[in-house]
Amino acid sequence: DGGITQSPKYLFRKEGQNVTLSCEQNLNHDAMYWYRQDPGQGLRLIYYSQIVNDFQKGDIAEGYSVSREKKESFPLTVTSAQKNPTAFYLCASSIAQDRVYEQYFGPGTRLTVT
Amino acid sequence: KNQVEQSPQSLIILEGKNCTLQCNYTVSPFSNLRWYKQDTGRGPVSLTIMTFSENTKSNGRYTATLDADTKQSSLHITASQLSDSASYICVVSAQGGGGADGLTFGKGTHLIIQP
Repeated sequence: DGGITQSPKYLFRKEGQNVTLSCEQNLNHDAMYWYRQDPGQGLRLIYYSQIVNDFQKGDIAEGYSVSREKKESFPLTVTSAQKNPTAFYLCASSIAQDRVYEQYFGPGTRLTVT
Repeated sequence: KNQVEQSPQSLIILEGKNCTLQCNYTVSPFSNLRWYKQDTGRGPVSLTIMTFSENTKSNGRYTATLDADTKQSSLHITASQLSDSASYICVVSAQGGGGADGLTFGKGTHLIIQP
């Protein structure tokens, strides 16, 4: 898992509640990403950040929010506006936001909303 | 639209046997292609990254090939072990387009190694 930690590993929430997923990296990477993985589907990009205090929406940003106050941390909040939040969430980082750089993934957080 | 198609969707082989996983893509203009291994309930781990000029790249018992003309890649696993049981994901990077980060992910091939 290469220096990226995500917590918790499993998270359960009631519908209508906001929940924040943690992602921390000690790789000194500038770029960080959040993906969502659903059974039978490829990873889909939620948000990404190239540098502290800056982030951009990915392909499926609706119902999610992020912050990047520190280089090491990129928390993801799943809001009550996300219609189908139950999924496996993966955080990743790379040296820079350039397509040639390898991404390193965290161990993931499985969120279940009932 | 950029797409990455992987086949087969799932595969079961006996321990010690070889297997080949396929990845076809329509991503353009091409930058690089990556193969990741993802154990159940874990994050993906990179196996290889191949650029346009590379035809073959090995990582232990894993060998990836790339044909940029036909836009096809394969991942060959030699002498499979029980620990090879995982999903294998093909990811293609575009110089422009793809997802917002320029990456298009395949859905993966789920490989099961039986003793």
